[in-house]
Amino acid sequence: DIVMTQSPSSLAVSAGETVTINCKSSQSLLSSGNQKNYLAWYQQKPGQSPKLLIYLASTRESGVPDRFIGSGSGTDFTLTISSVQAEDLADYYCQQHYSYPWTFGGGTKLELK
Amino acid sequence: QVQLQQSGAELAKPGSSVKISCKASGYTFTSYYISWIKQTTGQGLEYIGYINTGSGGTNYNEKFKGKATLTVDKSSSTAFMQLSSLTPDDSAVYYCARESSLFAYWGQGTLVTVSS
Repeated sequence: DIVMTQSPSSLAVSAGETVTINCKSSQSLLSSGNQKNYLAWYQQKPGQSPKLLIYLASTRESGVPDRFIGSGSGTDFTLTISSVQAEDLADYYCQQHYSYPWTFGGGTKLELK
Repeated sequence: QVQLQQSGAELAKPGSSVKISCKASGYTFTSYYISWIKQTTGQGLEYIGYINTGSGGTNYNEKFKGKATLTVDKSSSTAFMQLSSLTPDDSAVYYCARESSLFAYWGQGTLVTVSS
């Protein structure tokens, strides 16, 4: 199974800051066939189900604000949130959708400083 | 709109079983697999497996073989997960999700608490 490692596990931020969350996979998520990286990001607010934000490393799901930016390739990926807003305080998870069984990172909790 | 409605919270004794349901609406049920995902505070999100809602075929994460059994009732657009031989380690929130290697639609989650 592909192991997904996220860092940091928690992050305290002030509104308006730019934050970066990292995700590392134990194997490359880059498909040699189409040169796409099979990495997704989810946001989970307290008491809610996870919400898909980004897939294929950098494609935003419909309706996701453009302050959420996914980047990276191979085994190293980043979720950047520009100008964090109060509504962005949540847990964030990466997930590889490259090979079965799908696996998730341990999560990053974004908190208010 | 796509909705996945799960059954309510369960309190179960060690050694017993529970069966959780996930009723889908707003799309053609048999066009997508349904997956199940476990969430605990300590282990985060763990993928349990999926069921092919058309054929009933299943695929389980090795870790959950023998623990989870996935079934489907096409007539009611409902997927089920039975968890057997429950231990306190099975206490978690369990989600169903519409599967396409990605999870764009999730149920609201079912809390399972295993306690004597």
